[in-house]
Amino acid sequence: EPEVTQTPSHQVTQMGQEVILRCVPISNHLYFYWYRQILGQKVEFLVSFYNNEISEKSEIFDDQFSVERPDGSNFTLKIRSTKLEDSAMYFCASSFQGSYNEQFFGPGTRLTVL
Amino acid sequence: GDSVTQMEGPVTLSEEAFLTINCTYTATGYPSLFWYVQYPGEGLQLLLKATKADDKGSNKGFEATYRKETTSFHLEKGSVQVSDSAVYFCALSGTQGGSEKLVFGKGTKLTVNP
Repeated sequence: EPEVTQTPSHQVTQMGQEVILRCVPISNHLYFYWYRQILGQKVEFLVSFYNNEISEKSEIFDDQFSVERPDGSNFTLKIRSTKLEDSAMYFCASSFQGSYNEQFFGPGTRLTVL
Repeated sequence: GDSVTQMEGPVTLSEEAFLTINCTYTATGYPSLFWYVQYPGEGLQLLLKATKADDKGSNKGFEATYRKETTSFHLEKGSVQVSDSAVYFCALSGTQGGSEKLVFGKGTKLTVNP
């Protein structure tokens, strides 16, 4: 069964460093998403991506964040200068269609900023 | 903005007990409603969904009915198993001009003891 994969499973970084979280969505999906979950809090939407551009982003997704689909398979989230409060579990998701269509989630990357 | 409120956990039950996890929502328009489940070490998986009022979603013995009048989507199962131990997330999408993003509740951790 096709699945969304994410690497690494755990990333530890120093405050101020850049990190790139990687995702491989399901191959025929067209919509891609990033969410995050700070420990003990809700899963929060960060950004959605369709047709090689951002279709929606949340207030959390400020200039420190960027997304890219560098080739036909990967979807990345870059945090330029990490802060302590960026420590969270980051989930990638993909769907074949947009609204009302099931989003398939990856297992997550746990980001720890020291 | 849109929001989802679900029952605080953790919930601990004995095998074969009846399960209810309450979920209510606040949304503009007519959202689709979802229950996602997260097993230990895995990503979020769609458990069931309902796209319009009075729809009942069901899967693996779990059910939830979209109640527009009470803005609720409570999850129920008649007889839980140890393998149902997981975190359950209520979510909505499809409001505000067709937004694709999922808005999640905080999650309810369920532990089922033999």
